[in-house]
Amino acid sequence: EVQLQESGPGLVKPSQSLSLTCSVTGYSITSNYWGWIRKFPGNKMEWMGYISYSGSTSYNPSLKSRISITRDTSKNQFFLQLNSVTTEDTATYYCARWPDYWGQGVMVTVSS
Amino acid sequence: DVVLTQTPPTLSATIGQSVSISCRSSQSLLHSNGNTYLHWLLQRPGQSPQLLIYLVSRLESGVPNRFSGSGSGTDFTLKISGVEAEDLGVYYCVQGTHAPPWTFGGGTKLELK
Repeated sequence: EVQLQESGPGLVKPSQSLSLTCSVTGYSITSNYWGWIRKFPGNKMEWMGYISYSGSTSYNPSLKSRISITRDTSKNQFFLQLNSVTTEDTATYYCARWPDYWGQGVMVTVSS
Repeated sequence: DVVLTQTPPTLSATIGQSVSISCRSSQSLLHSNGNTYLHWLLQRPGQSPQLLIYLVSRLESGVPNRFSGSGSGTDFTLKISGVEAEDLGVYYCVQGTHAPPWTFGGGTKLELK
């Protein structure tokens, strides 16, 4: 069974970088697409980007200057880095084998 | 970006009632390759989103067949034929025909009446 688990700090200061890890079991990240999605307070969902089976990436243009998605195939993990965060980046962050398997999500608050 | 407008934003239903959710796109979602990349997700309270329907009308494995999807072009519908208690939560449509970015509808919250 495919399982994904996000990990990372729950609190980040404004202007710093947000870094999250998604650990995948039951399936190799060298197949399919592996993405990051966030849900803001309320119901709004935003697709942030994904990394493909080959390692190529696609990002939401609204984040393109701040986002990086990378991977470590030896550990079957992929990563999100979002730079220069503001309070508007406060959200629950999900990793997913896009779009059919999702992690449980991690809440990240940006606050000083 | 493609804008997906979901209606209604909130839906109250009784157990056993059939309901429909609309998702309207600002552009046709028919891709040049012939596919329509419009999916439906459900997020139950306290859980992560779950894929219900992909490519407009294809039922994801393990999803009950009381869920069905239809539509084409810019207008799409998710129907639940006989709501059950486990169906409560927020439903989202999401498109990838014009990705990046993939874009989500605003969500429809299904509640018990």
